[in-house]
Amino acid sequence: EAQVTQNPRYLITVTGKKLTVTCSQNMNHEYMSWYRQDPGLGLRQIYYSMNVEVTDKGDVPEGYKVSRKEKRNFPLILESPSPNQTSLYFCARPPQAFGPGTRLTVT
Amino acid sequence: AQSVTQLGSHVSVSEGALVLLRCNYSSSVPPYLFWYVQYPNQGLQLLLKYTTGATLVKGINGFEAEFKKSETSFHLTKPSAHMSDAAEYFCAVSDQRGYSTLTFGKGTMLLVSP
Repeated sequence: EAQVTQNPRYLITVTGKKLTVTCSQNMNHEYMSWYRQDPGLGLRQIYYSMNVEVTDKGDVPEGYKVSRKEKRNFPLILESPSPNQTSLYFCARPPQAFGPGTRLTVT
Repeated sequence: AQSVTQLGSHVSVSEGALVLLRCNYSSSVPPYLFWYVQYPNQGLQLLLKYTTGATLVKGINGFEAEFKKSETSFHLTKPSAHMSDAAEYFCAVSDQRGYSTLTFGKGTMLLVSP
């Protein structure tokens, strides 16, 4: 069964404190993506990766970084989080598999 | 550029009634179309997808959707609602270049009353 895992599920942090949300897939697939979900806005793509060392911006990339050093993992990095990045984040191997989500609160 | 419009942020039905969730898309190239369901505190689950071929697509949990090119629509239906269908539903579109172009609608919350 295709699975995407992400950690942590819940995170409360303060403005400016760097954080990483991990994402891992069990499918050995080339393509992965990160989305954020906000009430009334649906899901918006942050970054995506077509393969190892190949990443590109989505619709809302500002304030985020990603890396893809190996096919399995695709971490999302917030170097200096701000309150407007408070959101629900999903890692995905679209279209089939989405992770369970990480609820991030930045105070 | 692609876009998805879901009509109605909330839809209420009675248990046993027809479920109809509306989705219209905009795409300059032949689209791939998807419906997802999200239960509280969970990720998205793929209900069904249209890529090519038969325009009536059957998915999980008794849902189906019909691709109508002339109407640029991909509405989701279920003949008889169940309490367990209460969730948020998202329509999404991508083009045949690949899933990097997957674009979501804003979602429709389905409420089912006994």
